[in-house]
Formats: sequence, C-alpha cells, structure tokens
Amino acid sequence: GENVEQHPSTLSVQEGDSAVIKCTYSDSASNYFPWYKQELGKRPQLIIDIRSNVGEKKDQRIAVTLNKTAKHFSLHITETQPEDSAVYFCAASIMRGSNDYKLSFGAGTTVTVRA
Amino acid sequence: EPEVTQTPSHQVTQMGQEVILRCVPISNHLYFYWYRQILGQKVEFLVSFYNNEISEKSEIFDDQFSVERPDGSNFTLKIRSTKLEDSAMYFCAHYEAFFGQGTRLTVV
Repeated sequence: GENVEQHPSTLSVQEGDSAVIKCTYSDSASNYFPWYKQELGKRPQLIIDIRSNVGEKKDQRIAVTLNKTAKHFSLHITETQPEDSAVYFCAASIMRGSNDYKLSFGAGTTVTVRA
Repeated sequence: EPEVTQTPSHQVTQMGQEVILRCVPISNHLYFYWYRQILGQKVEFLVSFYNNEISEKSEIFDDQFSVERPDGSNFTLKIRSTKLEDSAMYFCAHYEAFFGQGTRLTVV
C-alpha cells in the first residue's frame, strides 16, 4: 500500500517567519495530495490540496508544491501567526473513481509559532 | 455546510466488551470511510464503504471489527471484544474534507 513519510516531526518558528513541511510518497499512482490541520482533540481540517496535474497551488498564506518525478510534496506557510500552531498532516490518495478518497496519512508535524 | 456527525463523543469501556460507534453521514454521498487515530499518532485508514458494501479494508480491520448500515442511512463501527490498544479517536468521513468530530474510545 501507499507509504507517506513526513518531516520534520516538530517545527518551531518565530511569528512572521515561514514554515515548510515536506512529505514523500511511495506509490507513483497516487494523484491527490491534501493537507490537514488538526488542533488538539479536534477533527482533521482540510486546508489545501493539490492534484497530480498541477505543480503548485496557493491560497493566501499557504501554498503546496508537488514534484511527481521525485514523489514529494511540500506545504509552505508564510507570515506565520500564533493561530497557525497545530499539528499538520499530509496525505496521499489514489483516486480510482469519482469521489473515492481513501487517504494514507503522514505521521504529522507539530508546528509551534512563537510570539 | 454539510456535516458528518458522530456519537458518542467519548466512550469508556472495559476490555473485552463490545462497542458500537455511530455516524450520521451526509445524504447522497456514496463513499464513506472510517479512520482511527491513536493519541499522538497519525490517522490510519480502517475501511471504506461504497454503495452499501465494504469496498476496501486495511490490515487493522480484522475480524474484531465490522461496519454496518443497520437502518439504511446511518453507519456503525462495531468492535466485538475491545483490547487496550483499541483506545483511539475514531473518525468517519466522506471524501477528503468531511470528517466527523470523532469518538474518543478509551478501553480500560
């Protein structure tokens, strides 16, 4: 099955600085890559995603890049704020049919933004 | 915005007991998933359900687990004889974005 590796496991940044989280995946058939933010005791919340036909996607302060050849993708958060502190998970999925989103998750990155 | 709702929010059970976790899906969404997250660890796929049948299950989803749709609309995840290592958050989900709020299962 799909194996998703995520680094780093913890990340501490000064408020206003950027944070970068990197993931690699094993199955070249994976074609959908979402990122989730999870606050303590809460559900995963989708924050951005990218499909394999796109190399980069941006939404305000967050962006995701995908390198299909190298099988890795990254999350970039710019101008970090204290409310960005959370656990972030990457995931990969092989979308085999319409609306089938079976997800394989990375191990998570605990991001702490220091004020 | 449509919501996936789960009950109970927290369940404490004795080891060896059966538990049933419930999920109210969003109507007309065909694919449905159960995931598990042990405290401090990653979210793990358990089983997917399509068109009222199990379409895929992980190695975690052994004979102790079952998933049903008893009334044709709501879903249940049953663990027949709970073990300490079943303690985790259990999430049901549609697609990539619609996660329920989770049930925290504590086995003592």
